[in-house]
Amino acid sequence: ELKVEQNPLFLSMQEGKNYTIYCNYSTTSDRLYWYRQDPGKSLESLFVLLSNGAVKQEGRLMASLDTKARLSTLHITAAVHDLSATYFCAAKKSSGDKLTFGTGTRLAVRP
Amino acid sequence: AAGVIQSPRHLIKEKRETATLKCYPIPRHDTVYWYQQGPGQDPQFLISFYEKMQSDKGSIPDRFSAQQFSDYHSELNMSSLELGDSALYFCASLRRSLTSTDTQYFGPGTRLTVL
Repeated sequence: ELKVEQNPLFLSMQEGKNYTIYCNYSTTSDRLYWYRQDPGKSLESLFVLLSNGAVKQEGRLMASLDTKARLSTLHITAAVHDLSATYFCAAKKSSGDKLTFGTGTRLAVRP
Repeated sequence: AAGVIQSPRHLIKEKRETATLKCYPIPRHDTVYWYQQGPGQDPQFLISFYEKMQSDKGSIPDRFSAQQFSDYHSELNMSSLELGDSALYFCASLRRSLTSTDTQYFGPGTRLTVL
């Protein structure tokens, strides 16, 4: 069974600082996704990573994938308050349809 | 751009009642997924449909059933509701193709409260 773990669960950051969220998954996955969720809202797709070494960047967020280590990272550069949200990684096995989500990282960016 | 539509957005039911949640996928999307997200939890996969056939099944209680119709919309039927069914229910859709990244696009969710 595919298991996905994220850490940290909660992250309080000062504006302007950098930090990284880690996502480990237990078995081979052919897709790794990052989603953002604001409180009580829907899940917004941020990145999809398809292959080993894949790196994608959008604004202050950069995601990468290491399939050998079964690890994905979401790096935040020079955080701003607007980035405050919960970030989920999710993995999908090639043999199935469903996304298995990590526990989520609740990010709070303070002035 | 058109997004996934879910209705109702909020629903309040009593224990042992039934509820029906509806999902209208993005136009030309042929696959629909249902997820349940409890308070402070990550989304849990319930069931999915591709071209009106069930394609995968997760931790969906026997009290729940779902189907996808000829116009690709989907309905999640929930019976004998329990307090623990209170959650956000998300529908997601995608269009399958060989070159697709298989990104699932999520709807706004239906917040179900069981009293």
